Amino acid sequence: DAGITQSPRHKVTETGTPVTLRCHQTENHRYMYWYRQDPGHGLRLIHYSYGVKDTDKGEVSDGYSVSRSKTEDFLLTLESATSSQTSVYFCAITPDLVSPLHFGNGTRLTVT
Amino acid sequence: GNSVTQMEGPVTLSEEAFLTINCTYTATGYPSLFWYVQYPGEGLQLLLKATKADDKGSNKGFEATYRKETTSFHLEKGSVQVSDSAVYFCALPNNNDMRFGAGTRLTVKP
Repeated sequence: DAGITQSPRHKVTETGTPVTLRCHQTENHRYMYWYRQDPGHGLRLIHYSYGVKDTDKGEVSDGYSVSRSKTEDFLLTLESATSSQTSVYFCAITPDLVSPLHFGNGTRLTVT
Repeated sequence: GNSVTQMEGPVTLSEEAFLTINCTYTATGYPSLFWYVQYPGEGLQLLLKATKADDKGSNKGFEATYRKETTSFHLEKGSVQVSDSAVYFCALPNNNDMRFGAGTRLTVKP
C-alpha cells in the first residue's frame, strides 16, 4: 500500500463555513492530486501539485484553493462551503506522469 | 486533450458470467492506458495497465488489450465472482493529470 492518508474521513459542515481537507503521504512522490467524485461524473480533477509550492488548477477548481508547503502534505480548502461542494474527495499521488496513481480512501463531505 | 468514454452501466451479472466493459479513448500519441477498480468505501486502486499498442494487461482474471486501430481498451473477465462487485474506471494520462471515465458499476449476484 502506498502511504497516503486523508483526514478527516467524514465531515459535515454548514454553508458558508471554511473547510480544509488534508492529504498526507509518506512516499516522497512528486505529484499530488485532489479529485471529487460525484454520481454520473466519475472523478473530476480539482487541483494538482507537481512539487512544493507548485500547484495548478484542474477542470473544477472554482471555489477551491490548495497549498503544498512540504512534499508530504497537500491541503484542499473550501473558503466558503456551498451545497454543490457536497461530494467525496480523493487525494492521489504518483512519482511521475507515466506511473499509475495511488489513492487515499477519501473524505466524504456534506455541506448543509 | 486526452479523454476516455466508458460504458456507464450499471451492469448486473450472475456469478460465472462473462464480463465486458467498453472503453474507447481519444489521445495524442500512444499513452499508457489503465483500468482502476473501486470497492465500496475505498479509494480507487489500479487493476491493470497497458503501455503500448497491442499490449495486454491482466490481473485477477481481468484482461484488457490496447487496440490502436479501434482506439479501445475494453475490460473482460471470463467468469465473474460476487467479490468482483465494484465500480470500474478506464483512465489515461492527460498532460499533468489522469483522465477518468464516468465509471461502470458492476453487481454480481450469486
